[in-house]
Amino acid sequence: AQTVTQSQPEMSVQEAETVTLSCTYDTSESNYYLFWYKQPPSRQMILVIRQEAYKQQNATENRFSVNFQKAAKSFSLKISDSQLGDTAMYFCAFMKHNDYKLSFGAGTTVTVRA
Amino acid sequence: DAGVIQSPRHEVTEMGQEVTLRCKPISGHDYLFWYRQTMMRGLELLIYFNNNVPIDDSGMPEDRFSAKMPNASFSTLKIQPSEPRDSAVYFCASSDRGGPRYEQYFGPGTRLTVT
Repeated sequence: AQTVTQSQPEMSVQEAETVTLSCTYDTSESNYYLFWYKQPPSRQMILVIRQEAYKQQNATENRFSVNFQKAAKSFSLKISDSQLGDTAMYFCAFMKHNDYKLSFGAGTTVTVRA
Repeated sequence: DAGVIQSPRHEVTEMGQEVTLRCKPISGHDYLFWYRQTMMRGLELLIYFNNNVPIDDSGMPEDRFSAKMPNASFSTLKIQPSEPRDSAVYFCASSDRGGPRYEQYFGPGTRLTVT
């Protein structure tokens, strides 16, 4: 079974600044996918960004980017120019290739201060 | 598309009662997932279906839980009898294997409270 660890239960950031969320995972697989999901107070789970393990280039989606370190089994999320609407819980998730089962970390609550 | 639809959004029931949660996946999606979210255990996959067939139910906590998918547009998760420890948010998600991002689209969840 894959283990996903998010070591930061809570983080706070000033609006317009940058925050980085950490995620590590444990797997013996060589091909897999990593995700960051956002869960705002509305409870809806929303995909923020996705990374394929076979790609060396880090994924970027507008203000969201990742730092994927395969050897270290690390997958951090950077939120740039933080906005009030970014306030949410963020979950790191792992999926083996050709397996649709998602394994989630415990989540990090991000609060953006005005 | 309306997205994944779940009903009810909130359910309060007494211990021992039967509870049925409902899900309508996104049209054309061939995978359907049921997750449970609690403070203690986080987000857990309970079961998933492919083309209406259960593929992996290893996350179903015990025999009191059962899930069905009678057709491509409807699935149920049933708890009988319910217990207070079943209180949680239950999410349904769907996915299209041919989709560009292996993305699972989540419904709004059902908050279940068992008293």
